[in-house]
Amino acid sequence: DAKTTQPTSMDCAEGRAANLPCNHSTISGNEYVYWYRQIHSQGPQYIIHGLKNNETNEMASLIITEDRKSSTLILPHATLRDTAVYYCIVRDLKAAGNKLTFGGGTRVLVKP
Amino acid sequence: DSGVTQTPKHLITATGQRVTLRCSPRSGDLSVYWYQQSLDQGLQFLIQYYNGEERAKGNILERFSAQQFPDLHSELNLSSLELGDSALYFCASSVDGRNSPLHFGNGTRLTVT
Repeated sequence: DAKTTQPTSMDCAEGRAANLPCNHSTISGNEYVYWYRQIHSQGPQYIIHGLKNNETNEMASLIITEDRKSSTLILPHATLRDTAVYYCIVRDLKAAGNKLTFGGGTRVLVKP
Repeated sequence: DSGVTQTPKHLITATGQRVTLRCSPRSGDLSVYWYQQSLDQGLQFLIQYYNGEERAKGNILERFSAQQFPDLHSELNLSSLELGDSALYFCASSVDGRNSPLHFGNGTRLTVT
């Protein structure tokens, strides 16, 4: 049971920042927000995760609202290779095994 | 390269047969997860092992079984195969099976004819 809501699809311009929204209004205090992407039937690739503070790594930035009910993944300079399905996942640390439950994701198409 | 190795990459077999998928986790990772991805179901969690013991079970059919060996590699066994078992099977590993990220292999594509 995915606990997140994402747009089904979105287009982005190459070289521009891509802002991918995610709603997780029922998130609880000890649940982390994870982002993965999957490029055409390859294995899902880990991007970033966070609890309540904004996070940045070499791939992306994660902005989490103060009430933690939504977040935005930012790809600072989208390239054609960033075309993929992006999954926003709320990870329940109290669930047995702490598995990741994938929803439908956002299909992102980066256009020249 | 995630560091997770899955073999074989492709597998074609007939209905009723049995196959074994193999996964070698990243060096140092103790936890292994198996996922199934079919066209109409998305990524579905099957089962997780941590340091040789089963930790969590998802929507895994009784015809399927898995284990994690002392060297931490894992195998997923699929038996009495049906056409509907055709899918991509992904293995992922993580350091501790808690909050550390999962890193996925590139999967085994199973085709049942």
